[in-house]
Amino acid sequence: KQEVTQIPAALSVPEGENLVLNCSFTDSAIYNLQWFRQDPGKGLTSLLLIQSSQREQTSGRLNASLDKSSGRSTLYIAASQPGDSATYLCAVPNFGNEKLTFGTGTRLTIIP
Amino acid sequence: EAQVTQNPRYLITVTGKKLTVTCSQNMNHEYMSWYRQDPGLGLRQIYYSMNVEVTDKGDVPEGYKVSRKEKRNFPLILESPSPNQTSLYFCASSPAWGVGYGYTFGSGTRLTVV
Repeated sequence: KQEVTQIPAALSVPEGENLVLNCSFTDSAIYNLQWFRQDPGKGLTSLLLIQSSQREQTSGRLNASLDKSSGRSTLYIAASQPGDSATYLCAVPNFGNEKLTFGTGTRLTIIP
Repeated sequence: EAQVTQNPRYLITVTGKKLTVTCSQNMNHEYMSWYRQDPGLGLRQIYYSMNVEVTDKGDVPEGYKVSRKEKRNFPLILESPSPNQTSLYFCASSPAWGVGYGYTFGSGTRLTVV
């Protein structure tokens, strides 16, 4: 059974700093990995989709990496801004299991 | 605009009163799914549909029904809601299940059963 863990559960950093969020998964038989952000009580916004054959994917100040063999992904946020404050979730779809397994989430607070 | 639309956004109801949460997508996606999100439990899948002919249970299907009569719509039905179904619900869609496809989520429906 796939288990997805995100560490840390919460993170506070001053505005302008670069930061890394971590996502670990136990089963490497995945199609891809998707990072989402969720504002309090709101929906999930897709940030990056990284395929199982890829190592990295970039969008603006965001960069996601994937190391399938070690069961890890990181989301790097450059030059953080208060608007980046949200909960960040990673999710993986598994072979032969028609659902997304979500991580536990990291609640990020950027301090102005 | 490509999107998944859920209605209503907020709903307060009483125990036992049947309700339906609608979900519609305008992207011609084959795969659709429902999740519920609860504090400390994260997001859990309720039902999914690979296409209009295939629908199956997720991890927490008890107390819910779904139907997929058309590709674009995937309503979630609570025949007799109970307080333990108070939750934040999300509908999601994808072009198909499997390689290469990401998921688009609706804005959520916050359901309170009293």
